[in-house]
Amino acid sequence: KAGVTQTPRYLIKTRGQQVTLSCSPISGHRSVSWYQQTPGQGLQFLFEYFSETQRNKGNFPGRFSGRQFSNSRSEMNVSTLELGDSALYLCASSPHPDGELFFGEGSRLTVL
Amino acid sequence: GQQVMQIPQYQHVQEGEDFTTYCNSSTTLSNIQWYKQRPGGHPVFLIQLVKSGEVKKQKRLTFQFGEAKKNSSLHITATQTTDVGTYFCAVREDSGGYQKVTFGTGTKLQVIP
Repeated sequence: KAGVTQTPRYLIKTRGQQVTLSCSPISGHRSVSWYQQTPGQGLQFLFEYFSETQRNKGNFPGRFSGRQFSNSRSEMNVSTLELGDSALYLCASSPHPDGELFFGEGSRLTVL
Repeated sequence: GQQVMQIPQYQHVQEGEDFTTYCNSSTTLSNIQWYKQRPGGHPVFLIQLVKSGEVKKQKRLTFQFGEAKKNSSLHITATQTTDVGTYFCAVREDSGGYQKVTFGTGTKLQVIP
């Protein structure tokens, strides 16, 4: 079974731009969640989707948004990028909403 | 909101020594999960604990859930260089009928050969 796939793996943007990150969950997993990882703040929950519905959202500004498609693939978008948005963005899928998380390799975003 | 502290933040041990990380919550937990993240890698699920006082073992790793379900520990016996990484606990907080994941601050383990 293929694991969680995230694209792109690395990207560089400048302040004010926007970015879209993609996540393909493990086949059969309908729950997808997103996390931001930085050295200073650790692993922080962004949002969680199940069957195309956002179940939960973390304490991030409205510039951070996401969605899930009918095939369970998910995207997250960050608009008006700030330097502090530089981070590793991790996606995780789960066979059910409260189960173990299977993480992708992450998308490393650098904002200049 | 949920606060989850892990101690210590860093730990350097000589290969063969034991290692323990502790996870403490401000509220009673329904369950707790543990993950390991190797340097440059992504978190990998290790175990889930559900019952009060539960103890689970995986080879040299022993996981324990506190009696009050507010704390947990991960103990590694006779560390090896392959144990290097950051260990996170993860708890779920009830939020509007659903459960939101909060990760602990992590303990970074360095093993000196």
